[in-house]
Amino acid sequence: EADIYQTPRYLVIGTGKKITLECSQTMGHDKMYWYQQDPGMELHLIHYSYGVNSTEKGDLSSESTVSRIRTEHFPLTLESARPSHTSQYLCASAPGGASRRATQYFGPGTRLLVL
Amino acid sequence: AQTVTQSQPEMSVQEAETVTLSCTYDTSESDYYLFWYKQPPSRQMILVIRQEAYKQQNATENRFSVNFQKAAKSFSLKISDSQLGDAAMYFCAGGTSYGKLTFGQGTILTVHP
Repeated sequence: EADIYQTPRYLVIGTGKKITLECSQTMGHDKMYWYQQDPGMELHLIHYSYGVNSTEKGDLSSESTVSRIRTEHFPLTLESARPSHTSQYLCASAPGGASRRATQYFGPGTRLLVL
Repeated sequence: AQTVTQSQPEMSVQEAETVTLSCTYDTSESDYYLFWYKQPPSRQMILVIRQEAYKQQNATENRFSVNFQKAAKSFSLKISDSQLGDAAMYFCAGGTSYGKLTFGQGTILTVHP
């Protein structure tokens, strides 16, 4: 099992503010992901990374950006928050080896409310 | 590309009884994996069970088992001896070894005492 941490767990912020959602994992997983999930709805992949200096956009278009400078760290940034960004953001990671590959382990999520 | 469909928005079960959650999928990949995740009210996604598509044997994890019908592209989850702690939203997901997962719409499971 992976240990994945997300901070903050809850964030209430005003429109126009810059925010960074933090995600860290301690298992040395190569793959990391960001999902967006509205309450009671399915998850949508917004960003993913297969390793350091590798980032890709996911299936759902997002105004957020990500970086992967260290294996264990995959922060997500919104330059100017808007009410439409209100959602839950889930971070996940997966090992790159053959063993248990493709299995993603999730962090506790960040619930974002933009006023 | 993959699609995952859960046609049951809500299901309910009596404590100690058995319930089956349905999932169908479609994929063009030959090497893929299927998962059931549980999301309780705390909202953290928890892996329940996984199935490798190349394995014919259905996966089992304690009270949780799957019925994997590859030809029918069906992947249902059976929960035996349901407990109050099983109440959650359950997501079916499909992915490849490259790592991207596609999730279904979710099924809310209510467990009645």
